[in-house]
Amino acid sequence: AQSVSQHNHHVILSEAASLELGCNYSYGGTVNLFWYVQYPGQHLQLLLKYFSGDPLVKGIKGFEAEFIKSKFSFNLRKPSVQWSDTAEYFCAVGYSGGYQKVTFGTGTKLQVIP
Amino acid sequence: EAGVTQFPSHSVIEKGQTVTLRCDPISGHDNLYWYRRVMGKEIKFLLHFVKESKQDESGMPNNRFLAERTGGTYSTLKVQPAELEDSGVYFCASGPASTDTQYFGPGTRLTVL
Repeated sequence: AQSVSQHNHHVILSEAASLELGCNYSYGGTVNLFWYVQYPGQHLQLLLKYFSGDPLVKGIKGFEAEFIKSKFSFNLRKPSVQWSDTAEYFCAVGYSGGYQKVTFGTGTKLQVIP
Repeated sequence: EAGVTQFPSHSVIEKGQTVTLRCDPISGHDNLYWYRRVMGKEIKFLLHFVKESKQDESGMPNNRFLAERTGGTYSTLKVQPAELEDSGVYFCASGPASTDTQYFGPGTRLTVL
């Protein structure tokens, strides 16, 4: 069974600081990778996804993530965070080619201080 | 286009009672998924429908949980009888056929007292 590890449970940053949230997964096969975000009081939303191709993926709101196959990692980055990025971020992994269940990490709560 | 909707948004019941959660997917989405998040833990897969058929129900905790998707449209998840450990947020997601992308609903927060 695949598993997803998010190393940071709670991150506090000042505005304009750079962000990197770690994500590692355990499955050795071909995977689809996702980052979801849940802003306070809102739905889970897809930030970005990787299915194949360029391992550096750009998403909405200036976020990007890099898939490093050799490290089983898919870390999320943003060069300069804003107060509005305060939210909970979830890394998720699905088997490639199957419209199947997605395995989520435990989530990272990001608090951005103005 | 309307998103995934879930009803109710909150439910508070006593142990031993029955609760039914409803999910209306985005129109035309064949794939429908149920997930649950117990407080502080990861979001866990419960089951996956393709149209009205259960594709994968490996995540259902036990036989107190019953999911249906009659006609391949909306889905219900019934918990009978509810136990304290069933408390959590139940998410529904839907997605078009032949894709892994899932669109999530707002969730139903279930509290079992």
